[in-house]
Amino acid sequence: GQSLEQPSEVTAVEGAIVQINCTYQTSGFYGLSWYQQHDGGAPTFLSYNALDGLEETGRFSSFLSRSDSYGYLLLQELQMKDSASYFCAVSSPGGKLIFGQGTELSVKP
Amino acid sequence: GAGVSQSPSNKVTEKGKDVELRCDPISGHTALYWYRQSLGQGLEFLIYFQGNSAPDKSGLPSDRFSAERTGGSVSTLTIQRTQQEDSAVYLCASSSGGQAGGYEQYFGPGTRLTVT
Repeated sequence: GQSLEQPSEVTAVEGAIVQINCTYQTSGFYGLSWYQQHDGGAPTFLSYNALDGLEETGRFSSFLSRSDSYGYLLLQELQMKDSASYFCAVSSPGGKLIFGQGTELSVKP
Repeated sequence: GAGVSQSPSNKVTEKGKDVELRCDPISGHTALYWYRQSLGQGLEFLIYFQGNSAPDKSGLPSDRFSAERTGGSVSTLTIQRTQQEDSAVYLCASSSGGQAGGYEQYFGPGTRLTVT
């Protein structure tokens, strides 16, 4: 089977850095994706790691360690608009995504 | 260009009725996915299409659920004899390729289904 674990909630202040961890167990694995979802909105793609290491996209970075079945999303210079739910997702054979339960990030002033 | 569109945006139906949910993917996207999201939960995979074929139907919760895709474009998800536990937001996504290329998916706004 496949399962992903991530914290349910994280709180941080504006301007800070926050890391959202994700551990996974899967029988087929192509890579780890991260999606952002604002309340009532559609999920939007943030980042993808197929290989070990760090991928940087502006204020957001994502890391993957395949040997540890672990990844994280790093958000820097937090802004109020970053308050949202963040989902890690494993890309499986066939292209489907298996999502974690999501981490609700609250950014405080 | 246009993104993924879904209709209706909201659907309220009585228990036992059938419903059809529609998805229009981004033009040219060969892969199409259906997910379900209950309140405060993650996305649950339902079914995946590559072209008009559905290589993976493993997420359909019961035989009351079915889906088809025609012309490599529009897809319809049908739920027969709806039950209250079917209440959720049904999300459709498309991507330019299946297999490993499906990691970047573009989601529609969803259909919020409420079964009374």
